[in-house]
Amino acid sequence: DGGITQSPKYLFRKEGQNVTLSCEQNLNHDAMYWYRQDPGQGLRLIYYSQIVNDFQKGDIAEGYSVSREKKESFPLTVTSAQKNPTAFYLCASSISTGGNTIYFGEGSWLTVV
Amino acid sequence: QKEVEQNSGPLSVPEGAIASLNCTYSDRGSQSFFWYRQYSGKSPELIMSIYSNGDKEDGRFTAQLNKASQYVSLLIRDSQPSDSATYLCAVRRGFQKLVFGTGTRLLVSP
Repeated sequence: DGGITQSPKYLFRKEGQNVTLSCEQNLNHDAMYWYRQDPGQGLRLIYYSQIVNDFQKGDIAEGYSVSREKKESFPLTVTSAQKNPTAFYLCASSISTGGNTIYFGEGSWLTVV
Repeated sequence: QKEVEQNSGPLSVPEGAIASLNCTYSDRGSQSFFWYRQYSGKSPELIMSIYSNGDKEDGRFTAQLNKASQYVSLLIRDSQPSDSATYLCAVRRGFQKLVFGTGTRLLVSP
């Protein structure tokens, strides 16, 4: 089945540690995105990529890093520089970054302990 | 002023009623509009997209767009308890990023 797979679904991190969230899609979409969602808030864009080997900062990129070495994969690293990393992280993709619809993966819950 | 505004709710309707969810946006250049449904603890799923003024119907759902007044709405007919969720409005201007509202929580009581 085509879709977007995120892993892990739940992750606990100690303060000072970097963690990487995986996102893989088999929809042959060019564009991929990472959003963060906090309770009672809308989705905020962290990073997006329009094509392999290219990515752009979103609204809240500080403390995060990404790579896009393959079309199918867009991993997100939450670094120790991110002060409030506990959140629900959503990976998404679309055919392109134009007016096309964005589809989401199932999300990853990150908790700092 | 937020780019996309929604009443947080909750909006409570009885089963079988029409639920009306509203969204306003600030950028007149916005061209693409989307409604997503998000169940608690789950990721958003697309319900409707609309690009032109007027109504667009899909089953029990109708999206309405009024660019002059800068609002987009979602009507859910014959509401069911399974429709209870948070509904997110999202707006895009051309090739710009998609901006989400904070969502309206809908509660449908049996």
